[in-house]
Amino acid sequence: GENVEQHPSTLSVQEGDSAVIKCTYSDSASNYFPWYKQELGKRPQLIIDIRSNVGEKKDQRIAVTLNKTAKHFSLHITETQPEDSAVYFCAATQAGYALNFGKGTSLLVTP
Amino acid sequence: DSGVTQTPKHLITATGQRVTLRCSPRSGDLSVYWYQQSLDQGLQFLIQYYNGEERAKGNILERFSAQQFPDLHSELNLSSLELGDSALYFCASSVGGLEFLYEQYFGPGTRLTVT
Repeated sequence: GENVEQHPSTLSVQEGDSAVIKCTYSDSASNYFPWYKQELGKRPQLIIDIRSNVGEKKDQRIAVTLNKTAKHFSLHITETQPEDSAVYFCAATQAGYALNFGKGTSLLVTP
Repeated sequence: DSGVTQTPKHLITATGQRVTLRCSPRSGDLSVYWYQQSLDQGLQFLIQYYNGEERAKGNILERFSAQQFPDLHSELNLSSLELGDSALYFCASSVGGLEFLYEQYFGPGTRLTVT
C-alpha cells in the first residue's frame, strides 16, 4: 500500500518568514495530493490540493509543488502569520479512495 | 463548517462496552470515509462506503463495523472496547466515484474516551 513520509515533524519560524513542509510517497499510482491544516481539537481542513497532471499550484500565500518522478511534494507558506500555527498533514491517494496521511508537521509561528 | 456532521461530540464509556458513532455527509456526497486519530498512530483510514456499499477497508479491527444507510448517513460501531480505542474518530465525505470530484471534507469528529 501507499506509504507517506512527512518532514519535519516540528517547524518553528518567525512571523513573516516562509515555511516549507516536504512529503514523499511510495505508490506511483497515487494521483491526488491534498494538504490539511488541523488546529488543536478541531477537524482537518483542506487548504490546498494538487493532481498528478499539474506540477505546481498556488493560492495566495500557500503553494504546493509536485515532482512525480521523485515521488515528492511540498507545501510552501509565505509571509507566515501567527494564525498559521497548526499541525499540517500531507496525504496521497488515487482519486476516489481513502487518504494516506503523513505523520504531520507541527508549525509554530512566533510574533 | 464543512457540511459534514457527526454525533456525539464526546463519548465516555467503559472497557468492554459498545458504542455507535454517527455521520451525515455533505448534501450530494455519496462517499463516506471513517478515520481514527490517535497520538501515536496519527490519522488512519478505517473504512469507506460509496452509495451504500463498502468500497475499501483500511486498518479496521474486527471489533469495529460500519454501514451506510439509504439516506447516505453512516454509522461506525465499536464493540468490546479497550483502552487503546480511545481516540478522535473522524468522518469525511466526498462526491466520490466521479472524475475530478474527490476532495474529502471532514466532520468535527467524535472524541471517544474508554475508561
